[in-house]
Amino acid sequence: GAGVSQSPSNKVTEKGKDVELRCDPISGHTALYWYRQSLGQGLEFLIYFQGNSAPDKSGLPSDRFSAERTGGSVSTLTIQRTQQEDSAVYLCASSSRGQGAGEQYFGPGTRLTVT
Amino acid sequence: AQSVSQHNHHVILSEAASLELGCNYSYGGTVNLFWYVQYPGQHLQLLLKYFSGDPLVKGIKGFEAEFIKSKFSFNLRKPSVQWSDTAEYFCAVNTPALKAAGNKLTFGGGTRVLVKP
Repeated sequence: GAGVSQSPSNKVTEKGKDVELRCDPISGHTALYWYRQSLGQGLEFLIYFQGNSAPDKSGLPSDRFSAERTGGSVSTLTIQRTQQEDSAVYLCASSSRGQGAGEQYFGPGTRLTVT
Repeated sequence: AQSVSQHNHHVILSEAASLELGCNYSYGGTVNLFWYVQYPGQHLQLLLKYFSGDPLVKGIKGFEAEFIKSKFSFNLRKPSVQWSDTAEYFCAVNTPALKAAGNKLTFGGGTRVLVKP
């Protein structure tokens, strides 16, 4: 596709419910990243997938957060038993290995509101 | 851990004024440096990047940034801003030589810039 796409664009959920956020990276990009943008915390790294390697999960804030990437393309970020502090914009980015390390293209984000 | 500091949280200036946004990072080894911009209602876009070579980097829309290794800085500049430059600007760093860090970006806290017409 033309860019990174994310769905849904907005999600409102009740505290304690599970949510799934989807990211569709740029076709051919081998690396995929999840970040979170929230007031007071800025932009924080969550998790990183590179090809078939084990993902770097070092940024996940708790074991309620998990992510998977199927077939080396689409990724889903799952938040279980959501809490109000999970409210944020969740951003996905992708990059191509040969493109110069770190030049990442960002999607529009999913705004998550936990009530 | 790597950290990135942006000194100004909010900047207000008039059209045609010059803009300089500060960015400092903490890692002493090899870094890649980026400035991203987020216009109102839009997603993050890359303004410019530095990997190696000439420390003065030119990006889109008349922006430039200078890498000063001795000062661990990568300040963003534009000689004459326009109303359309109203946006939030983020400095970001990654450390490609560190296996543990991979290519993940560490962002500064962002600077909101308001250009008055």
